[in-house]
Amino acid sequence: AQSVSQHNHHVILSEAASLELGCNYSYGGTVNLFWYVQYPGQHLQLLLKYFSGDPLVKGIKGFEAEFIKSKFSFNLRKPSVQWSDTAEYFCAVTKRVRNTGNQFYFGTGTSLTVIP
Amino acid sequence: KAGVTQTPRYLIKTRGQQVTLSCSPISGHRSVSWYQQTPGQGLQFLFEYFSETQRNKGNFPGRFSGRQFSNSRSEMNVSTLELGDSALYLCASSSTSANEQFFGPGTRLTVL
Repeated sequence: AQSVSQHNHHVILSEAASLELGCNYSYGGTVNLFWYVQYPGQHLQLLLKYFSGDPLVKGIKGFEAEFIKSKFSFNLRKPSVQWSDTAEYFCAVTKRVRNTGNQFYFGTGTSLTVIP
Repeated sequence: KAGVTQTPRYLIKTRGQQVTLSCSPISGHRSVSWYQQTPGQGLQFLFEYFSETQRNKGNFPGRFSGRQFSNSRSEMNVSTLELGDSALYLCASSSTSANEQFFGPGTRLTVL
């Protein structure tokens, strides 16, 4: 069965600290990878995505993620966090197989609290 | 473009009742997926509809069902509600297979 693991459930950082959130998935085929963010009281929104090409992808608000195929990982990074980054972060994976539809597998989320 | 809309935003029901939630996708999006979000469990996939057909289904009991209409609007129904069904139910739409999903605000269901 598919699974997406986010190993950090709760992360607390001070402003200006660097962030790295881990994400590993179990599917061995070709995948599309996503990071979504849910700010308090707001919709889930896309931070960044990887379909193919350069494994280092840049997203909104200074976030980036690196796809390492050999490690089945897609870790999210930000060099210097701000208080406004306080949110819940979800990693998601879809299998890239023709005609299988759109089943997204989400991790359980990482709650990030940034202390001013 | 208007975003994904979900109605109602909040619902309170009692055990044994049934409930229907509605989702209107972004115009032009034919894929609609439903998720259950609970603390500690993240987002659990319920099902995906594409062009009125259920294309994928998650691991939920048969009490959870859905449908999609010709205008791509979707409904989700939960029958014989249980306390454990209390959750935020999210709808997401996308334009093509395995493409980015756009999420609605969710319907917060509380079962008493």
